[in-house]
Amino acid sequence: GAGVSQSPRYKVAKRGQDVALRCDPISGHVSLFWYQQALGQGPEFLTYFQNEAQLDKSGLPSDRFFAERPEGSVSTLKIQRTQQEDSAVYLCASSLVFSGGWTDTQYFGPGTRLTVL
Amino acid sequence: AQKVTQAQTEISVVEKEDVTLDCVYETRDTTYYLFWYKQPPSGELVFLIRRNSFDEQNEISGRYSWNFQKSTSSFNFTITASQVVDSAVYFCALSEDTGTASKLTFGTGTRLQVTL
Repeated sequence: GAGVSQSPRYKVAKRGQDVALRCDPISGHVSLFWYQQALGQGPEFLTYFQNEAQLDKSGLPSDRFFAERPEGSVSTLKIQRTQQEDSAVYLCASSLVFSGGWTDTQYFGPGTRLTVL
Repeated sequence: AQKVTQAQTEISVVEKEDVTLDCVYETRDTTYYLFWYKQPPSGELVFLIRRNSFDEQNEISGRYSWNFQKSTSSFNFTITASQVVDSAVYFCALSEDTGTASKLTFGTGTRLQVTL
């Protein structure tokens, strides 16, 4: 079946512009995660949704970052007033389900490479 | 707080050599999960294996094998008879059982270069 898809794959923004990054999880996956990967580093957690509920946003670096998943499927990560330090690859991952005491495997999309000039 | 350390930044081997990628983790939880992902040049993270903290049995999948040792907090990954297609960045990751779907904490990755 289809994997996690993300769009756009590449985005160039001028400093101060707003951007919106889209994630389409695997069909039927309940959990959705966003990660930020700086060049040469491992991905770092940004936020997590279970269906439409945003249960953890502890990794969002500032209030310029906002994520939503209004119908429990597609998610959008929005960055307002972009800064050069926001340049990174933004990865989305989904997992089928979480039940207490058992962590499901996260499957990742190809990422969106954001460059802020 | 949880932490994953991959001390090897980059490894270069010649095809058909065996190579081991090291992973050391820190956690205060008794229940946790360990993962390995592969990131080829295309950028997508490809899932390789998941192991829970109660299962220390080593696993082999084709040319890949994993050695999990709780006593040393290590989860090392060995590729036998490496191939050029194995060239990628490999990430070890940890998640804790927090009662909600757990975020992954990644190491900084090991870049593996396999040449002919």
